[in-house]
Amino acid sequence: SAVISQKPSRDICQRGTSLTIQCQVDSQVTMMFWYRQQPGQSLTLIATANQGSEATYESGFVIDKFPISRPNLTFSTLTVSNMSPEDSSIYLCSVPVAGGTDTQYFGPGTRLTVL
Amino acid sequence: DQQVKQNSPSLSVQEGRISILNCDYTNSMFDYFLWYKKYPAEGPTFLISISSIKDKNEDGRFTVFLNKSAKHLSLHIVPSQPGDSAVYFCAASARRGDDKIIFGKGTRLHILP
Repeated sequence: SAVISQKPSRDICQRGTSLTIQCQVDSQVTMMFWYRQQPGQSLTLIATANQGSEATYESGFVIDKFPISRPNLTFSTLTVSNMSPEDSSIYLCSVPVAGGTDTQYFGPGTRLTVL
Repeated sequence: DQQVKQNSPSLSVQEGRISILNCDYTNSMFDYFLWYKKYPAEGPTFLISISSIKDKNEDGRFTVFLNKSAKHLSLHIVPSQPGDSAVYFCAASARRGDDKIIFGKGTRLHILP
């Protein structure tokens, strides 16, 4: 199994500022995913981050708002830019499970509150 | 447009009894279904899955049933234990191995002593 850590675990930020969330995996993975869970809502995929290429964003999410870095096979960052209260969510990263089990391991999440 | 629906935000079940969590979906292209379990301050963890070619998959106390004609699946937990208290997410993908998984909003399960 993969062990995934995220930093920070939670933060309270002011409107208009930006926050960078880090995701560290204990093994090398090609693909990493970033999700958002707004209060009372389902987990929604923001983007897929492949090492060595630009992230692929889902409908409704843009690079200017959620820039992603993927400098190596064990690490990724997601930045939430120019934050507004609507960005208050739990942000999670995940990686595919190897071996054909067709699911994903999730990090513990970053709980963001924007005032 | 919600493609995966969990219409019960919460459910309370007596310890030792059966817990039944329900999920409905709208997309006929979904081919693979998963249940995740989430404790507070932790990420979701995979629980059990089922392919559309099956109607039942069992793993210990957990059984998932799929009714394709009704576009409905359910998770049965028997017997329910205190550690089962968590939020359960139903999820689906259009093909096995698809990276894009669509999640429901979750059902919070409370196991009562």
